[in-house]
Amino acid sequence: GAVVSQHPSWVICKSGTSVKIECRSLDFQATTMFWYRQFPKQSLMLMATSNEGSKATYEQGVEKDKFLINHASLTLSTLTVTSAHPEDSSFYICSARDAGQGPYEQYFGPGTRLTVT
Amino acid sequence: KNEVEQSPQNLTAQEGEFITINCSYSVGISALHWLQQHPGGGIVSLFMLSSGKKKHGRLIATINIQEKHSSLHITASHPRDSAVYICAVPLSLSGGGADGLTFGKGTHLIIQP
Repeated sequence: GAVVSQHPSWVICKSGTSVKIECRSLDFQATTMFWYRQFPKQSLMLMATSNEGSKATYEQGVEKDKFLINHASLTLSTLTVTSAHPEDSSFYICSARDAGQGPYEQYFGPGTRLTVT
Repeated sequence: KNEVEQSPQNLTAQEGEFITINCSYSVGISALHWLQQHPGGGIVSLFMLSSGKKKHGRLIATINIQEKHSSLHITASHPRDSAVYICAVPLSLSGGGADGLTFGKGTHLIIQP
């Protein structure tokens, strides 16, 4: 149980285009999802917290107008990188909290590798 | 904001050796996560613990809340255990521990046959 999927697993796009990444909880309801990114040889860093039915909360230094997050249902959150640039190339991972479990469990998706050319 | 330190950064060992990876954090927490990341990048959650000790197969995780320290042990290590092991704790206490996580830099483990 507690499976989180991400789509796509990798994507290459041209500079200036937008890319949408989906994060789904397959067998549980996720009231909260988290978006992280990892630059090469660096730690994972929290970008934003996504709560179903409300606006996302962004960490300091993350542009909310560039990284659009939508959490319209209890099983789906999307991250859209708008007007992507090469410096946005990174590994993006989501995690989801099971509404039926304790508050501390997080289940991770497999990640999406974004390359902007 | 919680700070996480892991040691060692890199560890190479022979198959069969007992492995210990350490994690220290700066602010009291409700729960600590141990994660495994393979070269492709995918993250696997190994343990989430808030006190004492947990065991799963050859993996053992312990935590000392008073000392703000946790260890991950691997017994009878095997080449397939080669991966990056990451310790993570809640970013802050403001969410009661139910926040997003902050991560250590990871320990790159290589087990040689």
